[in-house]
Amino acid sequence: NAGVTQTPKFRVLKTGQSMTLLCAQDMNHEYMYWYRQDPGMGLRLIHYSVGEGTTAKGEVPDGYNVSRLKKQNFLLGLESAAPSQTSVYFCASSPYGRGRTDTQYFGPGTRLTVL
Amino acid sequence: GENVEQHPSTLSVQEGDSAVIKCTYSDSASNYFPWYKQELGKRPQLIIDIRSNVGEKKDQRIAVTLNKTAKHFSLHITETQPEDSAVYFCAASRWGDMRFGAGTRLTVKP
Repeated sequence: NAGVTQTPKFRVLKTGQSMTLLCAQDMNHEYMYWYRQDPGMGLRLIHYSVGEGTTAKGEVPDGYNVSRLKKQNFLLGLESAAPSQTSVYFCASSPYGRGRTDTQYFGPGTRLTVL
Repeated sequence: GENVEQHPSTLSVQEGDSAVIKCTYSDSASNYFPWYKQELGKRPQLIIDIRSNVGEKKDQRIAVTLNKTAKHFSLHITETQPEDSAVYFCAASRWGDMRFGAGTRLTVKP
């Protein structure tokens, strides 16, 4: 049982490049989330998903897209990276659906630098 | 949307003393309030949580209180130890949409 995993761990992009971050969970959780963490600002919710095939915008969704084609995977895409997207990205999942939230389990994070 | 404010931003205590971190939230529909501990370079780890139908919860040296009327909740750590040094985040959630406070850097001096 690996929990929540993220790929890659580190990445450096040039402005305008695109990339996809992969989050995978093996706990059969319904809810999945993407956050970014910048120094002194805590974690900010980018997008989340309450089930396979569904996504919703969080606090800072601009510049990002997501997809949840399979229950265990949640992808975060950057179509045209900007230096302002330099951050640490955390994925999380939680077990309950049907309108009830619960403990979020975090992945190890992806450190992204955009030059 | 929900707005969570957390105070203080830094807190320094002597080993054995108590530490209190306070958070306020704006959305009265928020129904889940977790606290996370994050050590440098690591992922956030849940230390305690409370739901909107409960006023207080305790787990050994850690306790959380919730005042729904005033829309604030607090983390209490008693008998602090050097290994409690970390950044602590509060959060408020409404049906999956979770908002975090900016964090409190706790330093416990031996």
